[in-house]
Amino acid sequence: DTAVSQTPKYLVTQMGNDKSIKCEQNLGHDTMYWYKQDSKKFLKIMFSYNNKELIINETVPNRFSPKSPDKAHLNLHINSLELGDSAVYFCASSQGFGGSSPLHFGNGTRLTVT
Amino acid sequence: KNEVEQSPQNLTAQEGEFITINCSYSVGISALHWLQQHPGGGIVSLFMLSSGKKKHGRLIATINIQEKHSSLHITASHPRDSAVYICAVSTQETSGSRLTFGEGTQLTVNP
Repeated sequence: DTAVSQTPKYLVTQMGNDKSIKCEQNLGHDTMYWYKQDSKKFLKIMFSYNNKELIINETVPNRFSPKSPDKAHLNLHINSLELGDSAVYFCASSQGFGGSSPLHFGNGTRLTVT
Repeated sequence: KNEVEQSPQNLTAQEGEFITINCSYSVGISALHWLQQHPGGGIVSLFMLSSGKKKHGRLIATINIQEKHSSLHITASHPRDSAVYICAVSTQETSGSRLTFGEGTQLTVNP
C-alpha cells in the first residue's frame, strides 16, 4: 500500500490552463504539505494543513489554491498556468505538526508548462 | 545566504569509501531532518534528530546543537547509495513550525 500517493505523476499542459494535482495519505497523519522543487532541486514549502486547517501559506501566487476536503486529502489547484510553474511538486504528510516528526513524501508530480 | 548550508554540493566516491556530508544552519531549531532523493525522484526520510546521534544500518547522523552543525555518514558506501541527500531544519515561528531545506548534496558512488 502506498502511504502517500499523488496523481498524476506527469502533467504537461499549456500556458493559461487550469490543472489540479491530487494527494492522499493512508497513514492517519494530521498534517499534510505541498512542496515545490525547482530545476536546481531546491525544495520549498508552499502550504501546510493541519487537521484540514491551513497553517502555512508561503509567498505563493494566489493562482495556487490548496483544498483539503478531509484529513487524508490535500489537493492543489493551479489557475492560469505560467512557464515558471514548471517544477516537481511533492505532497507530504507527518503525524506531528511542522517538522516535529518524520515526513512521508509522495513520489512527486512533474509539471511542465509549455 | 540560505539558513541551511550543505557541503559539499557534489561528492564522488569509490565503492567502500566512508562518506561524510555536512549541514550547517544559522537559526534555532527544534529538529533536523536528513532526506534521501533517489535518481527516480522519490524522497525518503532517513533521520530526524534533535540531539546526539542516530544509526540505521550503514548510515549515521550526528548533530551538535551548540555548533549548529550536523553530519551524515555513510560507511562502506555502495553504488546504490548514489542519490541527493538533503538536510532540513524545523524552526518554530509564530505561525507554526516549518521546515527549511538545504540545497542538497549529490552523491555518486562508483563501483
